[in-house]
Amino acid sequence: KQEVTQIPAALSVPEGENLVLNCSFTDSAIYNLQWFRQDPGKGLTSLLLIQSSQREQTSGRLNASLDKSSGRSTLYIAASQPGDSATYLCAVLRDNYGQNFVFGPGTRLSVLP
Amino acid sequence: SAVISQKPSRDICQRGTSLTIQCQVDSQVTMMFWYRQQPGQSLTLIATANQGSEATYESGFVIDKFPISRPNLTFSTLTVSNMSPEDSSIYLCSVERDGFTEAFFGQGTRLTVV
Repeated sequence: KQEVTQIPAALSVPEGENLVLNCSFTDSAIYNLQWFRQDPGKGLTSLLLIQSSQREQTSGRLNASLDKSSGRSTLYIAASQPGDSATYLCAVLRDNYGQNFVFGPGTRLSVLP
Repeated sequence: SAVISQKPSRDICQRGTSLTIQCQVDSQVTMMFWYRQQPGQSLTLIATANQGSEATYESGFVIDKFPISRPNLTFSTLTVSNMSPEDSSIYLCSVERDGFTEAFFGQGTRLTVV
């Protein structure tokens, strides 16, 4: 059974710092991995999607990497801003038949002005 | 991307009553998905809704408790029936563009049962 963990559970940094969020999964047979952002009490916003054949994806100040063989993904946020404060979730998709995501528990990020 | 509108955004309901949550997508999609996020927890898939057929429920979720409708390719509803305080959660709908596996979510419905 696929299990997804995220470290750290919570992180507080001053504005301007570069930071790394970690996601680990136990079964390397994944179809893709997606990073989301969730603001308190709200839905999810898709940040980056990495296909299983890819090693990384970039969007603006965000860079996500994937090492499928070791069961790891990282989300790198450059020059953090208070507006980046949110919970960041990673989710792995087992296959492309339906939306059978397994979500991690999330990393709660606070960026202090 | 996909634009998903979910209604209501939040509600406080009495135990024993039912609430229907609506999900509207800005384009036609084959499958729509409903999730539950209990307080402090991550997301759990409730069911997959295909147009023209009955929804497929995940283990631990049943149609009598969470009936789903999917009348067309842009709309779905989830009803939370005979509610108890344990049903207090955020409920989210999600879609994928046909042919792609990137998932997009609505803004969620925050349900509190008192």
